[in-house]
Amino acid sequence: KAGVTQTPRYLIKTRGQQVTLSCSPISGHRSVSWYQQTPGQGLQFLFEYFSETQRNKGNFPGRFSGRQFSNSRSEMNVSTLELGDSALYLCASAPPTSTDTQYFGPGTRLTVL
Amino acid sequence: GESVGLHLPTLSVQEGDNSIINCAYSNSASDYFIWYKQESGKGPQFIIDIRSNMDKRQGQRVTVLLNKTVKHLSLQIAATQPGDSAVYFCAENDPGTYKYIFGTGTRLKVLA
Repeated sequence: KAGVTQTPRYLIKTRGQQVTLSCSPISGHRSVSWYQQTPGQGLQFLFEYFSETQRNKGNFPGRFSGRQFSNSRSEMNVSTLELGDSALYLCASAPPTSTDTQYFGPGTRLTVL
Repeated sequence: GESVGLHLPTLSVQEGDNSIINCAYSNSASDYFIWYKQESGKGPQFIIDIRSNMDKRQGQRVTVLLNKTVKHLSLQIAATQPGDSAVYFCAENDPGTYKYIFGTGTRLKVLA
């Protein structure tokens, strides 16, 4: 099976712009979670989607949003980018059973100038 | 490569020695735990998992120990190799919310 894929791998934006990141989960996985990883804060949970519905949400401002499509692919959007949004954004997918292993993608490295 | 975390606790071990990485988890209701390895510039990679009805699980060169009484998890790596150098995270799953909560991570450095 192919692993979790994320596009693009690297992105450079300027403050005030918006960005959309994409994640394709492992085939058959219906849960997709997004995380932000920074050196100072570590791995922080953004949100989780399951069967096109947001099932969980972390403590991030409304500028961060996401969605999931019927094929389980997910997108994450960040509007009005700030310098502090520079981070590695990781997507993880999990099988239908709620407490099974999450598998991570390689991440998208976002740099905001 | 890029640093995963600049201020992580670091464990330095000699090549060939055994490594023990510890993690304290937060929620006594968590029933599933995972150890991940993250190399510079890559996403976390699954190493081994354990459910709360077990206290020990072994994989290839790795063993996870779970002590629910003190909410402690450890990862033991036997005969540590240079390729084991990475940041290691523990994660707990809250069965009520399905959320994964990650530890801050430990950087493992293998000395030749």
